[in-house]
Amino acid sequence: AQSVSQHNHHVILSEAASLELGCNYSYGGTVNLFWYVQYPGQHLQLLLKYFSGDPLVKGIKGFEAEFIKSKFSFNLRKPSVQWSDTAEYFCAVNASGAGSYQLTFGKGTKLSVIP
Amino acid sequence: EAGVAQSPRYKIIEKRQSVAFWCNPISGHATLYWYQQILGQGPKLLIQFQNNGVVDDSQLPKDRFSAERLKGVDSTLKIQPAKLEDSAVYLCASSQQGLAADTQYFGPGTRLTVL
Repeated sequence: AQSVSQHNHHVILSEAASLELGCNYSYGGTVNLFWYVQYPGQHLQLLLKYFSGDPLVKGIKGFEAEFIKSKFSFNLRKPSVQWSDTAEYFCAVNASGAGSYQLTFGKGTKLSVIP
Repeated sequence: EAGVAQSPRYKIIEKRQSVAFWCNPISGHATLYWYQQILGQGPKLLIQFQNNGVVDDSQLPKDRFSAERLKGVDSTLKIQPAKLEDSAVYLCASSQQGLAADTQYFGPGTRLTVL
C-alpha cells in the first residue's frame, strides 16, 4: 500500500517569500501525484497533478511541482506567495491497481501568509 | 457547471445513534467516492463506486458503515450505530471515469460530531 508524508505541519511566511512544501511517498510502482488545496471555508480543489511526461508540472495560481522519482518526492513550489495563498495543502498519490485507483493523502500542511 | 452537493453540512448526534449523509455528484460523472477526514489528517477513502457498483470498500468499517448508489447518480452513506471516533468531516467526491489520473472534484463535506 502507498503512503504519503508531508514534512511540515504549519508553515508561516511573509508575502513575497518563496514557498516549498515537501512531499514524499512510498510505493515502488508507477504513480500519479497530486496537490490539492483547501482555502478557508472552501472545498478541496486540485492545484496540479503529474501522471506522465515532463516531471515539472505547472498548476493554477503560479504553483509548480517537480516529480523526482529517485527521491520519491513531489515538492510544491511558488516563487512569491500572496496573502491569498493562505490555505491547507494536501499531497496525494495513487497507483494503478485492479480497478481501484485509491487516492492516498498526506496529513496536509497549513500555510499562513502574513501581509 | 454545478459542483458536488452534500447534505447536511453539519450534524451532531449522540453515540449509538444512526446518521445518514447524502451526496449528488457532478452530472455525468461515473465515479463517486466517500472519504472520512479526521481533524489533523488527510482524507481517507471509505468507498468508491463506479456507476452503481462498488469498486473499492476495503477501508469501510462494514460493521457500522454502509453506502449505496442505487441509480448510479446520488449516494447515501450511513453510520449505525455511531461511535465517538466517527467524529470527522465526510467528503464526497466525483470524477468522470475513475481513471488513475482523473481529477476528483470534492463537495463541501458534512461535519459530524458524535457526543
